[in-house]
Amino acid sequence: GAVVSQHPSRVICKSGTSVKIECRSLDFQATTMFWYRQFPKQSLMLMATSNEGSKATYEQGVEKDKFLINHASLTLSTLTVTSAHPEDSSFYICSANGPSSYEQYFGPGTRLTVT
Amino acid sequence: GENVEQHPSTLSVQEGDSAVIKCTYSDSASNYFPWYKQELGKRPQLIIDIRSNVGEKKDQRIAVTLNKTAKHFSLHITETQPEDSAVYFCAAKAGQAGTALIFGKGTTLSVSS
Repeated sequence: GAVVSQHPSRVICKSGTSVKIECRSLDFQATTMFWYRQFPKQSLMLMATSNEGSKATYEQGVEKDKFLINHASLTLSTLTVTSAHPEDSSFYICSANGPSSYEQYFGPGTRLTVT
Repeated sequence: GENVEQHPSTLSVQEGDSAVIKCTYSDSASNYFPWYKQELGKRPQLIIDIRSNVGEKKDQRIAVTLNKTAKHFSLHITETQPEDSAVYFCAAKAGQAGTALIFGKGTTLSVSS
């Protein structure tokens, strides 16, 4: 089946620094990937839709200058959290549509802790 | 955009009982409705899904029903077991490749033995 990986699985950074999270589709090409954020005991909230070769589309309330998304190839999307603050600490999950346009395949998630 | 409401937020049942979780959606263009089970700190795991061209789908102890007219869909788990205890999310999307899943707020199911 379609496999999506994420790296790193966990990261701790200091307030004010930037962190990059990678999302890869391992055995299929993904023209579109999605980034979600999940706070403790809450649901997955869509942050942005990442389109290969073009600008990402951000959901209302998500700062595009703070959460930089790059989708430079058909198998890789990156999310960079710039000038991270403790309130950015969360579980970040990426996903991609598989070969059919219906099922979405999720990465294992990245636990970000900002101290 | 799409909005998905999910109820109840918590559900406690005895082992062997049935559990039902209900969701409503707002976008009439949505045509794909998956259900996920999520363990703490892990990715969501697809347990069953349904497309809008059918009204019901069953897989062993799990079934999903869809009422397109009323824009609601439900997850039914029969003969619950303690290992069914987890957080369950419903989601909806229109079936185009560039469209994201929108999730409900989740239901914490506890099955006591």
